[in-house]
Amino acid sequence: AQKITQTQPGMFVQEKEAVTLDCTYDTSDPSYGLFWYKQPSSGEMIFLIYQGSYDQQNATEGRYSLNFQKARKSANLVISASQLGDSAMYFCAMSTTGGYQKVTFGIGTKLQVIP
Amino acid sequence: ETGVTQTPRHLVMGMTNKKSLKCEQHLGHNAMYWYKQSAKKPLELMFVYSLEERVENNSVPSRFSPECPNSSHLFLHLHTLQPEDSALYLCASSQGLRQNNEQFFGPGTRLTVL
Repeated sequence: AQKITQTQPGMFVQEKEAVTLDCTYDTSDPSYGLFWYKQPSSGEMIFLIYQGSYDQQNATEGRYSLNFQKARKSANLVISASQLGDSAMYFCAMSTTGGYQKVTFGIGTKLQVIP
Repeated sequence: ETGVTQTPRHLVMGMTNKKSLKCEQHLGHNAMYWYKQSAKKPLELMFVYSLEERVENNSVPSRFSPECPNSSHLFLHLHTLQPEDSALYLCASSQGLRQNNEQFFGPGTRLTVL
């Protein structure tokens, strides 16, 4: 069974500072993908970044980077130069394939950026 | 319209009502999903459709009935719901079912069952 753990229910960060959101995962599948999504108060889940289990380098997308430590089964999201618009819920998710793309989500971390 | 749209955005219904949620994707994707998001719980995958065929029904009660008439539209028909079914229902789509295919989500329908 797949499991995603996000242990930080809420985080605060000062505007323009960097912040790390933690995510650990558990799976017995050798091949999997890790995603981070952002959910503003409007409700829509917005895709941020993807890391494949066989990717050699950590994924980066603009101000987002994924700190992938395979041996520790962690996939932390780093947001650099935080902006007020970054205030939202952040979800870590893992995908595996077994006939279809099964995605398991974590419970989320609420990030609040302080001016 | 762009991306994934869902209607209605908010729905209040009684336990004896019948209603439907609609999802439409404008991305040319061939897979669509229904998720349930309850407070303090992870997103729960309900149904997966690929090329209009249901490939997964994740032990969802029969009071939820999905319908996928074509690759762009997905419905969730609701009848005799319970108050614990109150949640945000999210629709998503992806191009294919590979594990690296990110899913694009709609804004959700906030459902309240009285």
